[in-house]
Amino acid sequence: KQEVTQIPAALSVPEGENLVLNCSFTDSAIYNLQWFRQDPGKGLTSLLLIQSSQREQTSGRLNASLDKSSGRSTLYIAASQPGDSATYLCAVKGDDKIIFGKGTRLHILP
Amino acid sequence: EAGVAQSPRYKIIEKRQSVAFWCNPISGHATLYWYQQILGQGPKLLIQFQNNGVVDDSQLPKDRFSAERLKGVDSTLKIQPAKLEDSAVYLCASSLAIRGGRGDTQYFGPGTRLTVL
Repeated sequence: KQEVTQIPAALSVPEGENLVLNCSFTDSAIYNLQWFRQDPGKGLTSLLLIQSSQREQTSGRLNASLDKSSGRSTLYIAASQPGDSATYLCAVKGDDKIIFGKGTRLHILP
Repeated sequence: EAGVAQSPRYKIIEKRQSVAFWCNPISGHATLYWYQQILGQGPKLLIQFQNNGVVDDSQLPKDRFSAERLKGVDSTLKIQPAKLEDSAVYLCASSLAIRGGRGDTQYFGPGTRLTVL
């Protein structure tokens, strides 16, 4: 049974710093992995989707990597801004089942 | 392009009552998902449709939850009767396809916050 873990559960960093969010999964037989952000009281916004055959995806200040063999993905945020404050979730898709982690609550300190 | 629409945004009911949620996906998206998100948790997939057929409903509590997607477009999720533990945000999402390429990207609606008293 696939399990997705995100550590830490919460993170506070000063504005301008680079940071890394972690996502780990137990079953490497996945089709893709997707990173989302969720603002309080809102739905999820897709940030990046990495297919199982890919190693990384980039969008602006965001870079997501995938290491299937070790069951890990990272989301790198460069030059963090207060507007990046949100909960970041990763979701793994395998055998048509989609499993989410509990998320990392990120707070960027002005 | 219009996003995923959901209604109502908020609903408060008493236990044992019934409730229904509505979702209109992005035009042309074949796949529609309903998720339950309990406070502090990640979303849990309840049911996944491709067009008007069910792909996965293994985590749907079928004794009280039901969902349909008539004509492969709009969808409704119903709870009857509701329990206290059903209090959560119910999220609807859609994607172009089940598998492969950028078609897997899911687009979420704003959700319906349900409170069961």
